[in-house]
This record gives sequence, structure tokens and C-alpha cells, in this order.
Amino acid sequence: DTGVSQDPRHKITKRGQNVTFRCDPISEHNRLYWYRQTLGQGPEFLTYFQNEAQLEKSRLLSDRFSAERPKGSFSTLEIQRTEQGDSAMYLCASQGDATSGFFGPGTRLTVL
Amino acid sequence: DQQVKQNSPSLSVQEGRISILNCDYTNSMFDYFLWYKKYPAEGPTFLISISSIKDKNEDGRFTVFLNKSAKHLSLHIVPSQPGDSAVYFCAASPGNQFYFGTGTSLTVIP
Repeated sequence: DTGVSQDPRHKITKRGQNVTFRCDPISEHNRLYWYRQTLGQGPEFLTYFQNEAQLEKSRLLSDRFSAERPKGSFSTLEIQRTEQGDSAMYLCASQGDATSGFFGPGTRLTVL
Repeated sequence: DQQVKQNSPSLSVQEGRISILNCDYTNSMFDYFLWYKKYPAEGPTFLISISSIKDKNEDGRFTVFLNKSAKHLSLHIVPSQPGDSAVYFCAASPGNQFYFGTGTSLTVIP
């Protein structure tokens, strides 16, 4: 399967804990995006990488959120001191130079 | 500030008929538009796209129309099939990220 993969698919955590999600993009894609989707809403942009460089961050991405893409391959999204409002589906998408964005299956986070 | 709007949260269509999903946008810097289809508990799946230099793009049963002067695009599915039942998201990009609408839930009735 050469699509975008995300791990884990589901994460349940207690408020105040740290969580980390991983995204493996399509290998030849140089752009990688993180989005968050809550019930009844469309995906909301969080951050964007061009290779290993993080080029843009949304206002939604508070100081508790950090994303990395070492070596321009896989990416991680970490949320520190989780809050109940962080409960959402976290989506990763990758894009090549002349292609549309391809999304992974998402990681559903539940903060108790 | 919702830059991409899908004003119809749901749509029901008989199998075999045409489904028309609409999307409006406000940012004139958007130059690339996409439609995604989403099933429950899955990530969005790319369906069809259109560049701002075109006004129509077809792919099988799916056609996207772009009216730049009205800042409006639409997705036509014909003929509609029960397997098309899903939530459809419109997205627009100025080049560095995608802005999504809130989705339209399409139900195709057999």
C-alpha cells in the first residue's frame, strides 16, 4: 500500500497527558500537511511542511502543539498537556508538485 | 472566518438521477479547487480537482464546474449510485494549504 498512513488510528488519553501521532506520507511527496477535524466541520489546517521545513502554522496550533518532519520523510505531531478540547480527528495529507492532496485515515484522539 | 462554504448540509437523490453539490468561496487568491469524499471513520478521499484556468473538468461520472466571477463551484454526479452516499467536502487552495467547507452529506436512495 503506497498511500498515506497514520499511527495510531485511535488514541484515548487522560487530560494532562502528552500524545504523539505519526504520519508516513507517500514517498515521493515533498509537501506534508496536518489537519484537525471535529464533528460537523471540515478539516482545519494546522501546519505544513515542504520537505523538512515547517513553512506555515495555523493560529489553531497553540504552544502545546509541535510538529516535526526530520529528513523530510515521516512527520510527528505532539500534543502536550492534552485538554478535552483537543479531542478530534487528526488528519495528515501529502502532496507532490503537480498532484492533489492525499489524506491518511486519520488518528482519532479522545481526551477524557 | 469561513472562506469556503457549503450551504447545504445534506442532499437526498434517487439512484440514477443527477446529484449537484454546491460550494462558494470568498478568497480571490484561491487558484486550485478540489472535491473530497469521506466515509465515516476514514480520512477524506480525493475525488476530482480543477484549476482556476479552467471552468470544467470531467472524470467519469463526476464533473466539476467553476464559475470564477461568482466564486462558485459545483460537483455533478451522474448517474448517482448508492455507493456515492458519503459526505462531500469542497476545498480550495491558494498554494500553501487547503481550506475546506463544512461538507454536504449525500444520500442516494436505491
